[in-house]
Amino acid sequence: GAVVSQHPSWVICKSGTSVKIECRSLDFQATTMFWYRQFPKQSLMLMATSNEGSKATYEQGVEKDKFLINHASLTLSTLTVTSAHPEDSSFYICSASEGRYTEAFFGQGTRLTVV
Amino acid sequence: AQSVTQLDSQVPVFEEAPVELRCNYSSSVSVYLFWYVQYPNQGLQLLLKYLSGSTLVKGINGFEAEFNKSQTSFHLRKPSVHISDTAEYFCAVTKGYTGFQKLVFGTGTRLLVSP
Repeated sequence: GAVVSQHPSWVICKSGTSVKIECRSLDFQATTMFWYRQFPKQSLMLMATSNEGSKATYEQGVEKDKFLINHASLTLSTLTVTSAHPEDSSFYICSASEGRYTEAFFGQGTRLTVV
Repeated sequence: AQSVTQLDSQVPVFEEAPVELRCNYSSSVSVYLFWYVQYPNQGLQLLLKYLSGSTLVKGINGFEAEFNKSQTSFHLRKPSVHISDTAEYFCAVTKGYTGFQKLVFGTGTRLLVSP
């Protein structure tokens, strides 16, 4: 299958700082990318959907000013957690797809710990 | 809205024994159903999917699943497991018309295969 690379795999940051997570499709053009969040022993929850060149669509309850998503190219989407707090500590996973009826491939996830 | 229930958080099994991982969904519209596997420190990999047609779906690594509309279930089975099947397994659903988009995941089942 296609490869989606997510970076970093883990990050520790201080409360109040911002953290950027990158999601890259290495061998295909991703018109759509998705960002999920997973708390321990819970489901992956869709946070937002981003289409290349347009604003992201956020799911209900997700703060768009806190979780900034940029999808500036067909191979890269970024998620920036602004002014991170300990409650933002979680596992963040991205996936990328060439189209609606095309399989979405997942990155390996990023473990964010805010101290 | 769709939802997915994976009743078993953990399933221990001996090598070469059969296994069934249970998944039930709820939706008022036609759905697509998926099983993903996540190995430690890796992203999610698609095992198999049901879109339409035959209710018995065969996937990779010897896994199969059966779509049962009347029982709203999509249980995953393997007749003989290997140590290497130890991983986290996620069932997911989307509304049919959204294709692979907006996956709704279950909480996951950890399959533990011991010698």
